[in-house]
Formats: sequence, C-alpha cells, structure tokens
Amino acid sequence: NAGVTQTPKFRVLKTGQSMTLLCAQDMNHEYMYWYRQDPGMGLRLIHYSVGEGTTAKGEVPDGYNVSRLKKQNFLLGLESAAPSQTSVYFCASSSGTDGMNTEAFFGQGTRLTVV
Amino acid sequence: ELKVEQNPLFLSMQEGKNYTIYCNYSTTSDRLYWYRQDPGKSLESLFVLLSNGAVKQEGRLMASLDTKARLSTLHITAAVHDLSATYFCAVDPSMNYGGSQGNLIFGKGTKLSVKP
Repeated sequence: NAGVTQTPKFRVLKTGQSMTLLCAQDMNHEYMYWYRQDPGMGLRLIHYSVGEGTTAKGEVPDGYNVSRLKKQNFLLGLESAAPSQTSVYFCASSSGTDGMNTEAFFGQGTRLTVV
Repeated sequence: ELKVEQNPLFLSMQEGKNYTIYCNYSTTSDRLYWYRQDPGKSLESLFVLLSNGAVKQEGRLMASLDTKARLSTLHITAAVHDLSATYFCAVDPSMNYGGSQGNLIFGKGTKLSVKP
C-alpha cells in the first residue's frame, strides 16, 4: 500500500549545503515528477522523467539536478542550497500511457527550510 | 509554453450553495485532472478527464472538459463544510492527441472555504 514515498519528510539546511531528496514508487510507473509548492504559486514542475535513464527540465529547474537510475526511484539534488529553495517538495508518478488510469499519484511531501 | 489558469483563486461559500471553478489552458491537450489538497497534506486525485465532452461526478462535485474551448469546470452542488480545501486542475499536453509528453502542469489552485 506504499504508493509514492518521499524521504525525508522534514529538513533544515544551511545556505550552501547540499542534499538529496529521494522518491520511491512501487506502482511500476514510467513517469515521475518533482514539484515545489509555494504559497500563492501552486505547484511548479522542477524536473520530470518519462522513463528510466531519462530526465527533462520543467518550469523551474535552476539550482536542482535529478537522476533516474532505477525505474522506481527519482532523486532530486540541491547542490548549494539557497533560502529561495525553502519550499514544500512533492514527488509524483504516473503511468503516462493511454488508458483510464493516467493520473499522477503524489507522495506526502518534504518540507525544506534553508536558513 | 503551457499556461493553466484557474479562477477564482479564493472562494468563500455558504453551505447549500452552488458554484463553479474554471480551469483554462493554453495548448492542445485531451488530458485534464482535478486534485484536492487539504491543509498540510498531499494531493488527492478527484477526476480524470480524457476526452472532449467528458463529464465525471462524485458526490457533490462534477467535472467536465471542453477541449475545443480549452476549458474544464468543477461544479459544486449544495456545498458542505467538508468540501473546504484547495482544488487544483492539471493539464498534460498531448502530442496530437497521442501519448503524454510528461510535463504535467498545474494551475495555482482554488482555495475553497465553505461556511455554515
């Protein structure tokens, strides 16, 4: 019953530190996404992947890197954290193919604060 | 660039009233989704609309899709307090009505507050 699992759930970083957020899904989905959610801005797509070994930039990719070495995992990296990256980060996955069940399923979110 | 616009962004309703939330988008798509988010929580899928004229209903909520007008609506009937949440639409640009391109884009959300 896991679905999409994000770790960690909370983190406080100092400016300039690096970290990796891990997203794991057990639904055999092809597509995975990383979003950030800020007040008044909705969800903005950072990076996404349409399959193992592939990644693409979304709306707000600067300052982030991603990797999809295994189909079930999608990692989001912050190389040098900045206060502007304080946000709630959501990972999602979807089957991405034609058919009825194509919606994205979301993880519980990671609340990141950069001080 | 795909733009997804929701309106209104804030909606305060009285219980028992009806209202409609609108979602306009700027590019070709035949895949549109509605989600609900409670404060501090994740997003929960409400409706999947996959073709022009699609209509889905669940309880007091009904969603529809007009791909020619690039418009989806979420209609609330006889609102109750439990419907208070933020509602998002999301659009998946499709390649000539074929496969998904993968860059699922969300509107800014409509924060709904239902008062007694």
